[in-house]
Amino acid sequence: DGGITQSPKYLFRKEGQNVTLSCEQNLNHDAMYWYRQDPGQGLRLIYYSQIVNDFQKGDIAEGYSVSREKKESFPLTVTSAQKNPTAFYLCASSIQGRQPQHFGDGTRLSIL
Amino acid sequence: GNSVTQMEGPVTLSEEAFLTINCTYTATGYPSLFWYVQYPGEGLQLLLKATKADDKGSNKGFEATYRKETTSFHLEKGSVQVSDSAVYFCALLFMNTGFQKLVFGTGTRLLVSP
Repeated sequence: DGGITQSPKYLFRKEGQNVTLSCEQNLNHDAMYWYRQDPGQGLRLIYYSQIVNDFQKGDIAEGYSVSREKKESFPLTVTSAQKNPTAFYLCASSIQGRQPQHFGDGTRLSIL
Repeated sequence: GNSVTQMEGPVTLSEEAFLTINCTYTATGYPSLFWYVQYPGEGLQLLLKATKADDKGSNKGFEATYRKETTSFHLEKGSVQVSDSAVYFCALLFMNTGFQKLVFGTGTRLLVSP
């Protein structure tokens, strides 16, 4: 079955540590996205990529970095510069244009 | 700007009750509208969509009609089940300098009791 796989499901970070969240899709979608979800809030866009080797900042990119070396993969690194990293992170992908985004099951990041 | 406003939750219903979750939007241009559902500990699943005014999206007994005159996209279901308990997100999609941007409401939690 085609879909989006995020790993790990739960991740713990020590203060001052960078961590990388994995996102892989086999839907052959060009566009991929990272969102952050905080309790009682909607999703906020961190980064997006429309094509391999290209990505753009979203609304809350500070303290995060991404890469898009392969069409299938869009990893997100939460750096030590992100002062409040505890959240639920969701990856999504879509065909270009006015098409719905498909989401992975998310990674919950917590600070030790 | 573009924004989505949903009714505050939680919405608590008994099984077989009628459900309405209100959603209104502000948008420039002609957005597409979506409802997504999130079950505990999971990602978002697309529930239904509408791409132009007067379109009705429907899936699994849920319906929503794109009302341009009232800028609304209310979610309805005639008879809810316990398994419908989840968080529901209304979202609008618009094109921004060549890429699609989704704007989400804050979500409405639905709790259905037997």
